[in-house]
Amino acid sequence: ETGVTQSPTHLIKTRGQQVTLRCSSQSGHNTVSWYQQALGQGPQFIFQYYREEENGRGNFPPRFSGLQFPNYSSELNVNALELDDSALYLCASSLVVGGDEQFFGPGTRLTVL
Amino acid sequence: DQQVKQNSPSLSVQEGRISILNCDYTNSMFDYFLWYKKYPAEGPTFLISISSIKDKNEDGRFTVFLNKSAKHLSLHIVPSQPGDSAVYFCAASGGLTQGGSEKLVFGKGMKLTVNP
Repeated sequence: ETGVTQSPTHLIKTRGQQVTLRCSSQSGHNTVSWYQQALGQGPQFIFQYYREEENGRGNFPPRFSGLQFPNYSSELNVNALELDDSALYLCASSLVVGGDEQFFGPGTRLTVL
Repeated sequence: DQQVKQNSPSLSVQEGRISILNCDYTNSMFDYFLWYKKYPAEGPTFLISISSIKDKNEDGRFTVFLNKSAKHLSLHIVPSQPGDSAVYFCAASGGLTQGGSEKLVFGKGMKLTVNP
């Protein structure tokens, strides 16, 4: 059984640029959630996708957007990067919607200069 | 506004002793609680969970206790082992009753160090 994978591992961008982060869900999982973890903080929910549709969103501006593909892999796109976007971005997959535990990938460390 | 609070940033215990990690929450709509463990350079790993219909759940060395009236939960690790040294996150969701999104709300985490 393949776990959740994310790419790239690390990324450095400058303010104003755009970035795309990628996630492959654990085999058989149909739900993917994205979280942002700033230094010294717990992960913060960005949004969730279930069967290619957005299914819940946290308190993040519209420049954070996502996609889920038919094979349940997912992308997180961030436009007009700001310094405060520097964080660890975590992807988590799960099988059912509502209450089940989520399985996290290792994350992508984004640094915005 | 922190809805899930882990007020102690760190805990150090001796190998073989009990580790008790505490977590408080403010949102009465939360009805499912989870603990995750995180090692450096890895994503959080699910450890144990408890629903609001229970007050205790046990899995090997790990036991989670839930006190709904106090909006408090705790994770007990007995006996503690050096390999348990990691950052532990408490998380909560309203998934069981609200359905739909299983958004998890995390605390800031607590670093546990188990000394040999």
